[in-house]
Amino acid sequence: AQKVTQAQTEISVVEKEDVTLDCVYETRDTTYYLFWYKQPPSGELVFLIRRNSFDEQNEISGRYSWNFQKSTSSFNFTITASQVVDSAVYFCALSAPGGGKLIFGQGTTLQVKP
Amino acid sequence: GAVVSQHPSWVICKSGTSVKIECRSLDFQATTMFWYRQFPKQSLMLMATSNEGSKATYEQGVEKDKFLINHASLTLSTLTVTSAHPEDSSFYICSARDWEDDSYEQYFGPGTRLTVT
Repeated sequence: AQKVTQAQTEISVVEKEDVTLDCVYETRDTTYYLFWYKQPPSGELVFLIRRNSFDEQNEISGRYSWNFQKSTSSFNFTITASQVVDSAVYFCALSAPGGGKLIFGQGTTLQVKP
Repeated sequence: GAVVSQHPSWVICKSGTSVKIECRSLDFQATTMFWYRQFPKQSLMLMATSNEGSKATYEQGVEKDKFLINHASLTLSTLTVTSAHPEDSSFYICSARDWEDDSYEQYFGPGTRLTVT
């Protein structure tokens, strides 16, 4: 069975601090995709990144970076120099090819205080 | 590109009535659309997978007769909540896959907030 665990329910930081959101997944598939989404108070999901299981390279996009480690089944997300606008709920998700349905983690609520 | 719309964005209805929510892919064709439900402060839970021209596949525990899904065209899927009750109040989100895109990415609609009084 597929499962995504985001152990951190809520995180509160002060602006400019770095913060890492953890994501651990379970799957028996050898080919799969991992995603991160941001959900601001408006409710609309914002796509952040997609990573396939064969690509373990870390990725950096501006203040955002992702660390994918198959050995520990983790796909962690780091925000550097956090800003108030980063306050949102962040979801990690897992998808198997073919079917395409997404399995979401419980989400981590990030609050960045000024 | 890859825009998905939902209508209405919010709706209030009385208990016992039915409500239809539309999900449209605006600039691509989607053979597969997904319907998710999200209760306050909870994660998204997949309700069903909608395939154009065929019956939807429902997740375990989701009542097919209560949540009717119709995927009549490559750009439109509808979710009808029949005989709605207050416990059906939730945020409903659809997503769509571009049939020409093999990246398996899903494009999400902005969601529909349903309140049943």
